[in-house]
Amino acid sequence: GAVVSQHPSRVICKSGTSVKIECRSLDFQATTMFWYRQFPKQSLMLMATSNEGSKATYEQGVEKDKFLINHASLTLSTLTVTSAHPEDSSFYICSARRGTNQPQHFGDGTRLSIL
Amino acid sequence: EDKVVQSPLSLVVHEGDTVTLNCSYEVTNFRSLLWYKQEKKAPTFLFMLTSSGIEKKSGRLSSILDKKELFSILNITATQTGDSAIYLCAVDLNAGNNRKLIWGLGTSLAVNP
Repeated sequence: GAVVSQHPSRVICKSGTSVKIECRSLDFQATTMFWYRQFPKQSLMLMATSNEGSKATYEQGVEKDKFLINHASLTLSTLTVTSAHPEDSSFYICSARRGTNQPQHFGDGTRLSIL
Repeated sequence: EDKVVQSPLSLVVHEGDTVTLNCSYEVTNFRSLLWYKQEKKAPTFLFMLTSSGIEKKSGRLSSILDKKELFSILNITATQTGDSAIYLCAVDLNAGNNRKLIWGLGTSLAVNP
């Protein structure tokens, strides 16, 4: 159990495009999901915590108008990178926790390349 | 400031060797410590440790936590090339509504045939 699906796995698009990434918990309900960004050879950087039915909590330095998060149901959170630019190119990963005392389980990540 | 430090940063061994990966932490409001394995995609969960001295085991992997000395080790016995990956350690904090994981930089393990 505790399967997290992330889609798409790879996106290549032009500068100025908005890109939506979906994160689904397939076999459990997740009141909280997390969005991370990872640069090559670096560890995971938490961008925001997504809570179902309420506004996301963004980490310091992360622009909430740039990275829109919607957690509309207990099994789906979306991250939209608005008007993406080459510096937004990165590996974006979501995770979800089954319960308060459970570990985070990760989706397979989305590799975003902005040309 | 909360921090998690992993060592070594990288390690190269031969198949069949045993390796020990270290994770030390300095945090307020410790809740649990987690180990993940990351290959080309996102991290996959290995262990969650909350109590000192209780070894968790899964096949050739095992892990234990020392909450007095504030560290954990991950052991891999009889290593195989498929064990090559980055091993990440993270600490989960009791932080109320702002609960999140504090990540180490990882240990990059390469197992050569």
